[in-house]
Amino acid sequence: KAGVTQTPRYLIKTRGQQVTLSCSPISGHRSVSWYQQTPGQGLQFLFEYFSETQRNKGNFPGRFSGRQFSNSRSEMNVSTLELGDSALYLCASSLSSGAANEQYFGPGTRLTVT
Amino acid sequence: SQQGEEDPQALSIQEGENATMNCSYKTSINNLQWYRQNSGRGLVHLILIRSNEREKHSGRLRVTLDTSKKSSSLLITASRAADTASYFCATDPHTNAGNMLTFGGGTRLMVKP
Repeated sequence: KAGVTQTPRYLIKTRGQQVTLSCSPISGHRSVSWYQQTPGQGLQFLFEYFSETQRNKGNFPGRFSGRQFSNSRSEMNVSTLELGDSALYLCASSLSSGAANEQYFGPGTRLTVT
Repeated sequence: SQQGEEDPQALSIQEGENATMNCSYKTSINNLQWYRQNSGRGLVHLILIRSNEREKHSGRLRVTLDTSKKSSSLLITASRAADTASYFCATDPHTNAGNMLTFGGGTRLMVKP
């Protein structure tokens, strides 16, 4: 089975721009979660989508949004980029949503905002 | 904010030695998971221990969970240079009905050949 794929792997954007990141989960997985990893804040949960619905949301401003398509692929969007948005963005897929679900992470998208 | 704190933040050992990493968390949990990350890449799931379990083994990995102390430990036995990575604990809060994980700050393990 193919693993979780994320595109693009690397991205450089300028302050004020917007960016869209994509995540394709493992075949058959219906839950996709997004995390931001920075040296200062560590790994922080952004949001989770399950069956095209946002299930959970972390403590991030409204500039961060996401969606999930009927084939379970997910995108996250960051508008009006700030320097502090520079981070590794990881998505994780899981068979379903709920306690004790093993999550499989993709390689991440490294976003640099200049 | 991070649910867990990991100790130590960095650990350097010789190949063949055992490595122990500790994780403490703040709220009641459904389960606790350990992940490994190599050089800022994706996370690899290592082991999941449920709140009603006290110990779990997987190959050279041994995880313990003490819910009364809100702490867990990960032991890697007979370490290898390939074990060099950052290790994170992640908790699934008891009130959460989804897949929201809260990660600790991680332990950077270096295994010298």
